[in-house]
Parts: sequence; structure tokens; C-alpha cells
Amino acid sequence: GAVVSQHPSRVICKSGTSVKIECRSLDFQATTMFWYRQFPKKSLMLMATSNEGSKATYEQGVEKDKFLINHASLTLSTLTVTSAHPEDSSFYICSARQAVVEKLFFGSGTQLSVL
Amino acid sequence: LAKTTQPISMDSYEGQEVNITCSHNNIATNDYITWYQQFPSQGPRFIIQGYKTKVTNEVASLFIPADRKSSTLSLPRVSLSDTAVYYCLVGDAGNTGKLIFGQGTTLQVKP
Repeated sequence: GAVVSQHPSRVICKSGTSVKIECRSLDFQATTMFWYRQFPKKSLMLMATSNEGSKATYEQGVEKDKFLINHASLTLSTLTVTSAHPEDSSFYICSARQAVVEKLFFGSGTQLSVL
Repeated sequence: LAKTTQPISMDSYEGQEVNITCSHNNIATNDYITWYQQFPSQGPRFIIQGYKTKVTNEVASLFIPADRKSSTLSLPRVSLSDTAVYYCLVGDAGNTGKLIFGQGTTLQVKP
């Protein structure tokens, strides 16, 4: 299947700092990418839809100023957690839609720990 | 988006066939049914996708009845490494691609 690379896999930061997570589709172009977060032993929760060249669409209850999404190219979307707090600690996962085969492929996830 | 319902957990033994059924009563005409596998601290891995009838690949089979209101993922001869959470998702992958995850089924394979 197609490869989606997510970086970093793990990050520890201090409260109040910002953290950027990158999601790349390595062997296909993705006009649409998605960002999820997952708490321990819970399911994935969709945060936002990242659209290349336009603003992201956020799910209800997700603060757009808190979670900045940029999709500047057909192979890269970034999620920036601004002014991180301990409650932002979570597992963040991106996915990219490969339109040709109409499937979603997921990155390996980023474990964010805010101290 | 159609909601899915799966058993929360299942137990099996190595070498057995495992069938996980998912209910999606409100599936729309354009919706595909997709199953993912997730190990702890990893992103979901695509297993199989179908629209109707039966789909088979090298790792699983997907059975979809004519009314498409349910689907069954079949894993032949499971091994310990198949212990994971399995998610059934329904959505229009051909359009927006947006998929909402349900609770998933935690499969525990025992020796």
C-alpha cells in the first residue's frame, strides 16, 4: 500500500511551547489529509480535514487557533499544537487519501507529551 | 456519516479463523466499507475494503450481504501477532475520504 510518513514519532515539550508535526505522502499526491488524536485505549477522534491550498476544516469542538493546520503542497500537511498544555498530551495520527484507489493510508503517529 | 457497531472485544486461539461482524444500518449508496488494524502506539493499517459481495486479499476476506447493512471481516488462521484493535469504517472514500472511527474490536489471540 501507499506510504504516509509522519514525523516526529515522539516529542516531549514544556508547557507553553509549540510543536509541529509533519505528515508526508511519499509515493502519491494527496489533496486531502486528515488529522486525528487518540487517547490511551480509546478510538481515533477526527480533528480536522486538511485541504491542499485552502483552509482546513475543523470538527466541532476542535480549536482552530490551537491546532494550526497547513497543507502547502500535495505531499505535505503540518499540524502545529500552539501553546501546548499537559491536556494536549496525546497520540496524533495523520492520514492521506489516495484518490486513484480511493483509500486512506495512515501515518505511524506522533506521541506528544507536554510537561 | 454512517455509524458502525462492532463487538468491543473477542478472544481466539492461534490457528483459528476469526470473524468480526460490523453493523452499519445507515450506510449510504456511495459508501465503501473499510477495515483497519491498529497495534498500540502505531497508526491504523489498511486491511481490506469493499462495496458489496465478497472481497479477498492476501490477509483477509470481507463479506458484505446484499443489503450492505453489515459486513464481516474474516481472518484465516490467526496468530499471536494478529492481536490488535480492528476498526470497521464506512464512508465515501471516493469523495471526501472522511472516515469516522467507532470503538473498534480488540482481538486477543491466545496460544
